[in-house]
Amino acid sequence: EVQLVESGGGLVEPGGSLRLSCAASGFTFSSYSMNWVRQAPGKGLEWVSSILINSGYMKYADSVQGRFTISRDDAKNSLYFQLSSLRAEDTAVYYCARSANFGYWYLDLWGRGTLVTVSS
Amino acid sequence: EIVLTQSPATLSLSPGERATLSCRASQSVSSYFAWYQQKPGQAPRLLIYDASNRATGIPARFSGSGSGTDFTLTISSLEPEDFAVYYCQQRANWPLTFGGGTKVEIK
Repeated sequence: EVQLVESGGGLVEPGGSLRLSCAASGFTFSSYSMNWVRQAPGKGLEWVSSILINSGYMKYADSVQGRFTISRDDAKNSLYFQLSSLRAEDTAVYYCARSANFGYWYLDLWGRGTLVTVSS
Repeated sequence: EIVLTQSPATLSLSPGERATLSCRASQSVSSYFAWYQQKPGQAPRLLIYDASNRATGIPARFSGSGSGTDFTLTISSLEPEDFAVYYCQQRANWPLTFGGGTKVEIK
């Protein structure tokens, strides 16, 4: 089955860190660029970060630049997101999403998401 | 940053009716534009890409049109499973941006 499964979310205090993982299966992970998109409770979608195939380049939203780091391990079919210096406004469901091969940066496969809650 | 403004925020319609959703970009995105559907508690699903192409498995009642700054998603005849929130997205420029969403609710 073609799927993405996120893990690693949880409750963390402001200023803390968390590492999210996304396990891919059912497709050739190394052939796809990947993304993280978040959704605050009751709010809309916000793109957060993207990584090209072969880790060719990474992009970040200004709101997380310098605090979050995206990476991938093609041998493990996994995408990662290191979250540091977390703030209350980072509270959201974080989705891992695949970029379509018919158009980079259209997101054609999504995981179910993992909830990150930043609170003391 | 390209800002996408969706209208209306909420659309109240009955099953079988036609739904017309709009999204306006703050600057031209050519046809590098997509629509997504999100149901409560679920991840978004890609419906339309390149402004007018249906993604795999998307029913023909969904259609997209537009280019430049003005885009429309039309659902020709609403089915019960179509009541959801719809988001637009552009990939013309970084950062990728989404619209604020249109909720299609049952009247």
